Amino acid sequence: EPEVTQTPSHQVTQMGQEVILRCVPISNHLYFYWYRQILGQKVEFLVSFYNNEISEKSEIFDDQFSVERPDGSNFTLKIRSTKLEDSAMYFCASSWDSQETQYFGPGTRLLVL
Amino acid sequence: AQSVTQLDSQVPVFEEAPVELRCNYSSSVSVYLFWYVQYPNQGLQLLLKYLSGSTLVKGINGFEAEFNKSQTSFHLRKPSVHISDTAEYFCAVKRTGGYQKVTFGTGTKLQVIP
Repeated sequence: EPEVTQTPSHQVTQMGQEVILRCVPISNHLYFYWYRQILGQKVEFLVSFYNNEISEKSEIFDDQFSVERPDGSNFTLKIRSTKLEDSAMYFCASSWDSQETQYFGPGTRLLVL
Repeated sequence: AQSVTQLDSQVPVFEEAPVELRCNYSSSVSVYLFWYVQYPNQGLQLLLKYLSGSTLVKGINGFEAEFNKSQTSFHLRKPSVHISDTAEYFCAVKRTGGYQKVTFGTGTKLQVIP
């Protein structure tokens, strides 16, 4: 069964550094998403991406964040200058269309020191 | 805006006993409803979903949920749990139409006791 994959599984970085989290969505899906889960808190929507542009974003997704689909398979989330409060599990998801179920990857645990 | 309330943060239950995990939602518009499960150190896996039609929805691993519009609830049930059901369960909603954001509840940790 096709699945969403994410790399790396864990990332440790220093405050102020840039990080790029990578995702490979399910191959025939057209909508891509990033969510995050701060330890002990609920999963929160960050951004959705369709047709090479952002279609929805939350108030969390400020200028420090950006997303890109650099080729036909990868979908990335970049945090330009990490803060301590960016420490969280980041989930990528994808769906066939906006009405369909979103399928989630295993997550990348980011720790900012 | 939509919101999801999962009142029980932890639910301990003995193996082979029935379980119900409660979920209530709030929305001024039509929504789709989902239950996701997160096993330790893994991602979110879809258990079941309600889009339309029959209000009783069956999912994987013997779970089912009933959509109750008047009570704005979508409780998850299983008649007999196994040790392998130990996980965290998230109720979620998504606005119908072209909206993509999924709003999650805070999760309920199900602990199955042998």
